[in-house]
Amino acid sequence: EIVMTQSPATLSVSPGERATLSCRASQSVRSNLAWYQQKPGQAPRLLIYGASTRATGIPARFSGSGSGTEFTLTISSLQSEDFAVYYCQQYDNWPRGTFGQGTKVEIK
Amino acid sequence: EVQLLESGGGLVQPGESLRLSCAASGFTFSSYAMSWVRQAPGKGLEWVSAISGSGGGTYYADSVKGRFTISRDNSKNTLYLQMNSLRAEDTAEYYCAKTGVAGWFDFWGQGTLVTVSS
Repeated sequence: EIVMTQSPATLSVSPGERATLSCRASQSVRSNLAWYQQKPGQAPRLLIYGASTRATGIPARFSGSGSGTEFTLTISSLQSEDFAVYYCQQYDNWPRGTFGQGTKVEIK
Repeated sequence: EVQLLESGGGLVQPGESLRLSCAASGFTFSSYAMSWVRQAPGKGLEWVSAISGSGGGTYYADSVKGRFTISRDNSKNTLYLQMNSLRAEDTAEYYCAKTGVAGWFDFWGQGTLVTVSS
């Protein structure tokens, strides 16, 4: 099984600041990496797929980068609606995709 | 607009069964693989099962293999998850998710809660 490890577990950021979230795979997943946002009481929402392609309707302040085993999600200027939990998911060995444990982005 | 609406969750005792349904609309259902993903209370996301667009291919996480069965009725645009021999560790919110061409989940339902407790 491919293990996905996200860091940090919690990120405290002020509105308007940049947030950088990391995701590491236990083996190469090429560019088969997605990012999701989940707010309390809601279903996850796809932000990024293919490591760097924004899903439909996702604002440009969200960007993804990386390949192989190291990936980054950057939120360039945090808005109030961006405080949430973010998950990465590898789908290189679809359908047995695995998720990271999540990074909570909270208000500083 | 893509919509996925799960139903069928509830409180059951260990060893009992439950069938979840997911009604889909807003896209050509038979053209897409579909998946179930669950989230235990306060925990992260776990892929449970997936099925190809035709229904000919089915896949399971090791944690549910032999106990859960995924199926679909393309004439009714509905996805199912038959869950047998339920255990306390199966307690979770269960989401159905439309699966993108390579394996990401591009649309999610609102979830249905399954609680397994005596």
